Amino acid sequence: DVKVTQSSRYLVKRTGEKVFLECVQDMDHENMFWYRQDPGLGLRLIYFSYDVKMKEKGDIPEGYSVSREKKERFSLILESASTNQTSMYLCASPTSGRPSSYNEQFFGPGTRLTVL
Amino acid sequence: AQSVSQHNHHVILSEAASLELGCNYSYGGTVNLFWYVQYPGQHLQLLLKYFSGDPLVKGIKGFEAEFIKSKFSFNLRKPSVQWSDTAEYFCAVNEGNTGFQKLVFGTGTRLLVSP
Repeated sequence: DVKVTQSSRYLVKRTGEKVFLECVQDMDHENMFWYRQDPGLGLRLIYFSYDVKMKEKGDIPEGYSVSREKKERFSLILESASTNQTSMYLCASPTSGRPSSYNEQFFGPGTRLTVL
Repeated sequence: AQSVSQHNHHVILSEAASLELGCNYSYGGTVNLFWYVQYPGQHLQLLLKYFSGDPLVKGIKGFEAEFIKSKFSFNLRKPSVQWSDTAEYFCAVNEGNTGFQKLVFGTGTRLLVSP
């Protein structure tokens, strides 16, 4: 099975700080995703990447950016953290193969970010 | 845009009770359907999925789901729940045969099973 790891389980930051959330997958997969999970709202897609240096906006990209310099690593960046970005952040990577829409997504354990 | 509705936000059941969680989606074309589960303190994991063929699909831990195309539904069922089924359940949909697996998730249903 794919293993997806995230750099921190819990993170506390102050308003205005620049925040980096790191995600690593160990199976050389092309696609990687960042979601945020909020009570009552489910999971919402922030950004995804289908290859190194390639990225696409998801449904709620405002206030976020991403970086994919290596295939196994996908970083989510909060340029200037705000309190409304307090949330659980989940990274996911699906298995490979075509069509890709058939593939199961493997999720990391999540990073619970609190912005004070 | 595709949307997914899970009408039950919180469900409380006693052990051995039967479970049905509703999921409706909005897209009228070919879809791929998933149920994911998140146990307390654990990461999201796949429970079952439907792509084509038999509309009744079976997943792990005795769960099953039925795809009813005419009703745009993919309800999750289990005949007899256990305390260990306490978790949050998410229905997810994506359009079939797309280049990327962009899932749209429902808002989730929190299930509490009392012993």
